[in-house]
Amino acid sequence: QKEVEQNSGPLSVPEGAIASLNCTYSDRGSQSFFWYRQYSGKSPELIMSIYSNGDKEDGRFTAQLNKASQYVSLLIRDSQPSDSATYLCAVTYGGSNYKLTFGKGTLLTVNP
Amino acid sequence: NAGVTQTPKFQVLKTGQSMTLQCAQDMNHNSMYWYRQDPGMGLRLIYYSASEGTTDKGEVPNGYNVSRLNKREFSLRLESAAPSQTSVYFCASSEGTPDLYEQYFGPGTRLTVT
Repeated sequence: QKEVEQNSGPLSVPEGAIASLNCTYSDRGSQSFFWYRQYSGKSPELIMSIYSNGDKEDGRFTAQLNKASQYVSLLIRDSQPSDSATYLCAVTYGGSNYKLTFGKGTLLTVNP
Repeated sequence: NAGVTQTPKFQVLKTGQSMTLQCAQDMNHNSMYWYRQDPGMGLRLIYYSASEGTTDKGEVPNGYNVSRLNKREFSLRLESAAPSQTSVYFCASSEGTPDLYEQYFGPGTRLTVT
């Protein structure tokens, strides 16, 4: 059974700190991994995609993937109040690159 | 570019009524998707279309039908709405080519079935 697990939070960090968000998944055949940000009442917004083991950096965001441990994480450096949102981890499943399963999200609050 | 657009933004239906949710994308993407988002359940895939002319079931297809009208448009139909279909519905699209499977979401439709 496919599962994506995230801590629901809330995760609270001070402005300027590093926020660390974690995600584990159950399908060993998963090939593609994504992080989305969702503000309350809005649609999910893609932040990062990662397809191979290791780190991928984009501005203040770093995604980390470890397929052996079935673990993917998102680091947000120099956190800003505008980063306060729910972060969704999404993973492909069933050998398909089209079918995404989402975690329930981690609520991040960045305090000024 | 407008990206992914959805109509309507809000809808209230009575049990048993039917309706079609419309989705269009202007990014020349090959693949399109329909999700629903419910509190405590997260986002769940209803149907997807990997390419024009194809559609496949996702995790929660019962009670829904889809049509890939052309490369730009993908509609979701509720034939006989039930209160359990009260949800926020999101359409998404992606290139659908190797290493370009990132999905981009529309603004959503908030549906209430009474």
